[in-house]
Amino acid sequence: EVQLLESGGGLVQPGESLRLSCAASGFAFSSFAMNWVRQAPGKGLAWVSALTGSGSRTYYADSVKGRFTISRDNSENTLYLQMNSLRAEDTAIYYCAKGRGSGTYYMDVWGKGTTVTVSS
Amino acid sequence: DIQMTQSPSSLSASVGDRVTITCRASQGIDYYLAWYQQKPGKVPNLLIYAASILQSGVPSRFSGSGSGTDFTLTISSLQPEDVATYFCQNYHSAPFTFGPGTKVDLK
Repeated sequence: EVQLLESGGGLVQPGESLRLSCAASGFAFSSFAMNWVRQAPGKGLAWVSALTGSGSRTYYADSVKGRFTISRDNSENTLYLQMNSLRAEDTAIYYCAKGRGSGTYYMDVWGKGTTVTVSS
Repeated sequence: DIQMTQSPSSLSASVGDRVTITCRASQGIDYYLAWYQQKPGKVPNLLIYAASILQSGVPSRFSGSGSGTDFTLTISSLQPEDVATYFCQNYHSAPFTFGPGTKVDLK
């Protein structure tokens, strides 16, 4: 069974950092693009970042460019999101989502999400 | 960057009604459009990709059409379990933006 399990969320103060992880199982992890998508309380879905199966190409939403870094460890079947200089508007549920192919960015499997709260 | 819009933002319909949701891209994205369903308190679920291809396991009452800038999601006969918010997504080019969503509930 294909599974994605996010971890690393929590309560942090503005300006602080957090690293999210997403453990993948049940599929050939390195063959698929991966995404981070977030959802602020009561709001819609917002795509955050993605990278290719090899990790050689990365993409970011303008709202996080320069603050967030996506990466993956294909030997550990794990996706990461390093979040620096966090702001109140980064408060959201963060979902890890699998792409359909190595360079295909619609998402056919989603994790249950991890909650990030940025507040003083 | 490509902007995605959806209309309406919400709708109420009766069981058995035909429901149509529209998604528009600010520039042409060929057929690189996906639709997702998110039920209250649940994780999003892929319904349709490549504008019109039904994801495995999705009921056939769901269908998608369109290409370029204008797309539609149709529910041919609304069922109670279809109460959800529906999102379109551009995956033609980064940023792979979502539309703002259309909330569907029962009249």
